Amino acid sequence: DQQVKQNSPSLSVQEGRISILNCDYTNSMFDYFLWYKKYPAEGPTFLISISSIKDKNEDGRFTVFLNKSAKHLSLHIVPSQPGDSAVYFCAASVRNTGNQFYFGTGTSLTVIP
Amino acid sequence: DARVTQTPRHKVTEMGQEVTMRCQPILGHNTVFWYRQTMMQGLELLAYFRNRAPLDDSGMPKDRFSAEMPDATLATLKIQPSEPRDSAVYFCASGPTTGSVASYEQYFGPGTRLTVT
Repeated sequence: DQQVKQNSPSLSVQEGRISILNCDYTNSMFDYFLWYKKYPAEGPTFLISISSIKDKNEDGRFTVFLNKSAKHLSLHIVPSQPGDSAVYFCAASVRNTGNQFYFGTGTSLTVIP
Repeated sequence: DARVTQTPRHKVTEMGQEVTMRCQPILGHNTVFWYRQTMMQGLELLAYFRNRAPLDDSGMPKDRFSAEMPDATLATLKIQPSEPRDSAVYFCASGPTTGSVASYEQYFGPGTRLTVT
């Protein structure tokens, strides 16, 4: 049973515009959330994270928003660049049980020049 | 530049053959994970080690898959016998022990693309 879901397999955005990637989770015990970015033929790389004590975390062009009541998080990329084209995975964990992550199925983002 | 390394990068084998994938975690990391990437399931956790001890391998088909850490610098994932449905990309990741609030990410290797014909 998928505890972390990314319901949009793909997304296309024009360069310079905002990209919004969404993620839903079912386990209310999750208290730490991460986004990973993956290019073809490479392993995923860490992008940004957020603890459940926050509702927003920002790092340059990337912002993650967490809505605990809705069990929903989103990743905003502003402005989007062609180099952002990749597959984005969200992941969730319960920190005091160790750093075992539960990943979503990924969203493939294409930024059109 | 510390990285997780995986070998081989690509493996093509016939159904029924044994497959062994290897991973060298980042020095000093004491948690190691094996994942399988498929289109339908995304990144599935197969096995999880801490200090070389298996903590969770519930995601692994026990009859054909096995995961071990012979030492702190090597993790292996074996499939015997392999089947066409095992075709996927297998990733190894390593990370430090939970405890740092600031850093909690896993570091992934480049993956092994397995094709079983």
